[in-house]
Amino acid sequence: QKEVEQNSGPLSVPEGAIASLNCTYSDRGSQSFFWYRQYSGKSPELIMSIYSNGDKEDGRFTAQLNKASQYVSLLIRDSQPSDSATYLCAVDLIFPDTGGFKTIFGAGTRLFVKA
Amino acid sequence: GAVVSQHPSWVICKSGTSVKIECRSLDFQATTMFWYRQFPKQSLMLMATSNEGSKATYEQGVEKDKFLINHASLTLSTLTVTSAHPEDSSFYICSGSGPRETQYFGPGTRLLVL
Repeated sequence: QKEVEQNSGPLSVPEGAIASLNCTYSDRGSQSFFWYRQYSGKSPELIMSIYSNGDKEDGRFTAQLNKASQYVSLLIRDSQPSDSATYLCAVDLIFPDTGGFKTIFGAGTRLFVKA
Repeated sequence: GAVVSQHPSWVICKSGTSVKIECRSLDFQATTMFWYRQFPKQSLMLMATSNEGSKATYEQGVEKDKFLINHASLTLSTLTVTSAHPEDSSFYICSGSGPRETQYFGPGTRLLVL
């Protein structure tokens, strides 16, 4: 079973619509959750981080976390063609014995925003 | 936000040569740095976790003698691909860890081995 799962898409939405990206994870002990955006040929850039249940809003982006359901989502309001990219969901695995961590990335969801 | 640089941004080399990639955190100290590899249309694959002053921790299937990682300071980690072969051609990306396990990625290094 994959540790972080995303629908690979492509997800196609018209300009101005809301894009909804979803992600599930398997490790109940995870405490840190991230959404990264990756344009083709570029490295990922951080969009949102979320650590507690509920919603977190930043501009047009809203991250939602439900730890009981092991589910995290990203909503993009007023989608723009420039939002067309691959969105990576990421979840941290903490190693309590060492205090170290590593991040597990989903395979990403490709989003196309049509003008 | 925190800035991570990588050098070089792309490199072409002959099979059998070694290639060194530098990763620097420019405006923060990264106790932990990560090295990823990404093949076309695939997701990020973690290669190793590098902690300043200690040996890197490699993921299963990644040869530590082929991919040498050095994390000599809180702002610099290097990845050396030794005796590179065409199958090592890929997009190599480093990241530095910030507060609350946030990762800040470098721009990546595209390696082509002929």
